[in-house]
Amino acid sequence: QKEVEQDPGPLSVPEGAIVSLNCTYSNSAFQYFMWYRQYSRKGPELLMYTYSSGNKEDGRFTAQVDKSSKYISLFIRDSQPSDSATYLCAMSRGSNDYKLSFGAGTTVTVRA
Amino acid sequence: DVKVTQSSRYLVKRTGEKVFLECVQDMDHENMFWYRQDPGLGLRLIYFSYDVKMKEKGDIPEGYSVSREKKERFSLILESASTNQTSMYLCASSVRNEKLFFGSGTQLSVL
Repeated sequence: QKEVEQDPGPLSVPEGAIVSLNCTYSNSAFQYFMWYRQYSRKGPELLMYTYSSGNKEDGRFTAQVDKSSKYISLFIRDSQPSDSATYLCAMSRGSNDYKLSFGAGTTVTVRA
Repeated sequence: DVKVTQSSRYLVKRTGEKVFLECVQDMDHENMFWYRQDPGLGLRLIYFSYDVKMKEKGDIPEGYSVSREKKERFSLILESASTNQTSMYLCASSVRNEKLFFGSGTQLSVL
């Protein structure tokens, strides 16, 4: 069993819809949770970062962490065609933990 | 603008060849990483380095080695390329471990 599970999709939504992405994990030691966005033929870039449980909002993006369920989510409101990308969740045990554990990524297409 | 530059976008090599993948960052970051990305498997860490001449094995170091002689440069070496090393290779650098800055990747095909 993988340490981090993420549905690869693909996910196709109309412009303006809410996109909901999620990951589950098995290691209760994870404390830091991240979402990276990767456009086609580009490297991933950090989108959101949260520590421990709770919600974090940044513009149209909301990240949620539920440590009791070992479940994290990313919501994209008012989705735009420019949000079409692969979204990867990642997590680590602590600030000194060099080894991020990544999900496989979910490919999202927002149709104009 | 911060930058991680990988020397080649596409590379085609033959089985048994020695392959060098080069990565340069201009952000004065201590940490540098090499990942490979395969469909359905996500990013897997091959090696990382937290200082010049220092290196640590990641999750899949077999068949690879690395070199970091200067702070800004981190090289990945495939000693004898094999077909199962066909993959997208991503270099990254960081100050804090949660914020990695990635290069655009090198798509390596081993025939």
